[in-house]
Amino acid sequence: QKEVEQNSGPLSVPEGAIASLNCTYSDRGSQSFFWYRQYSGKSPELIMFIYSNGDKEDGRFTAQLNKASQYVSLLIRDSQPSDSATYLCAVIKTSYDKVIFGPGTSLSVIP
Amino acid sequence: NAGVTQTPKFQVLKTGQSMTLQCAQDMNHNSMYWYRQDPGMGLRLIYYSASEGTTDKGEVPNGYNVSRLNKREFSLRLESAAPSQTSVYFCASSASRVGNTIYFGEGSWLTVV
Repeated sequence: QKEVEQNSGPLSVPEGAIASLNCTYSDRGSQSFFWYRQYSGKSPELIMFIYSNGDKEDGRFTAQLNKASQYVSLLIRDSQPSDSATYLCAVIKTSYDKVIFGPGTSLSVIP
Repeated sequence: NAGVTQTPKFQVLKTGQSMTLQCAQDMNHNSMYWYRQDPGMGLRLIYYSASEGTTDKGEVPNGYNVSRLNKREFSLRLESAAPSQTSVYFCASSASRVGNTIYFGEGSWLTVV
């Protein structure tokens, strides 16, 4: 089992719809969770981080964390064509001070 | 404020050649990382350094060595390049272990022929 897994893509949604991206992790000791966006040929950029159970909202983005079920999700409301990118889930394993990324989910927002 | 700077941006190597990827950050971060990214795959951790003077293996360390020269600099060395090491390499840094943003360099495109 991979340490961090994401729902396989590509994911296509129409403009204005809600895009839902999921991530599961294997280490119960994981403490912090990040969502990065990566455009083709560019480096990843941070969208959100979350470390407490529940929801965290930032504009059109909502991160949801459930430590008991070991998953973290990202919802993008009112999706825009500019949201088309690969979304990477990242997990910090505190005891080892490592940051592990999932394989990413490619999102395409269709105008 | 340059953030994380890595060089070179592009490099072509012949099988068996050696090279060093350089990385420097000017944000006074403790932790630094080297990742590789292959088509259709996420970022895989090669090596990381939690603080100056310490380094640890990540998921895919074979064929690589690293040096944390000082707090600012973290280099990645390929001693004998292989075609399987053709990839995009990203250096990154963060302030501390938990909860802090990881900042990435712009990437180094390496081709081994």
